[in-house]
Amino acid sequence: GNSVTQMEGPVTLSEEAFLTINCTYTATGYPSLFWYVQYPGEGLQLLLKATKADDKGSNKGFEATYRKETTSFHLEKGSVQVSDSAVYFCALIPTSGGSYIPTFGRGTSLIVHP
Amino acid sequence: GEEVAQTPKHLVRGEGQKAKLYCAPIKGHSYVFWYQQVLKNEFKFLISFQNENVFDETGMPKERFSAKCLPNSPCSLEIQATKLEDSAVYFCASSQIPGQGGEQFFGPGTRLTVL
Repeated sequence: GNSVTQMEGPVTLSEEAFLTINCTYTATGYPSLFWYVQYPGEGLQLLLKATKADDKGSNKGFEATYRKETTSFHLEKGSVQVSDSAVYFCALIPTSGGSYIPTFGRGTSLIVHP
Repeated sequence: GEEVAQTPKHLVRGEGQKAKLYCAPIKGHSYVFWYQQVLKNEFKFLISFQNENVFDETGMPKERFSAKCLPNSPCSLEIQATKLEDSAVYFCASSQIPGQGGEQFFGPGTRLTVL
């Protein structure tokens, strides 16, 4: 079956530090890949996505590149802010098989200190 | 509407009582998904609908849980005879095209507490 593995958190950084949250996946075919962010007490918000190999998704300074050779979709940001503190979820949605059920990673909590 | 709406925001039930949660998908979205988020952030897929038809129910507990999406009504998730382990945040999401590139839009969730 499909699976998504994220680095365990929490990740604690100082403001303006560089962020990397690792995500690797196992899936048949060529799934679409997503990063969602969850702020305290809220639902998931789509942060960025990529639908094919070598695609780069980007939004609000965050980036992730779909690497088929390493089955990875690592999230990066050059300079984090306190307001980026949240839980980040990597996810895949299969594009074949007709199921469309996403597989989520377990989430990585990010804490940014001033 | 432009956002997925979920009601109520919070729900408290005594063990054995019934709980009913509602979800209004984004207008024009044909697919609705229900998830359960328990401690440690893990999301568990429960069920999905394509319009009013069950699309995939592989995650639904066979007993006590049921769901519907009827025309011109919010979708609902009902738990009969709640148990302590049903305490979680239940999220609904909707999607226009669930396949390639079709991200899901999530509602704010309903926090169910079973005492």
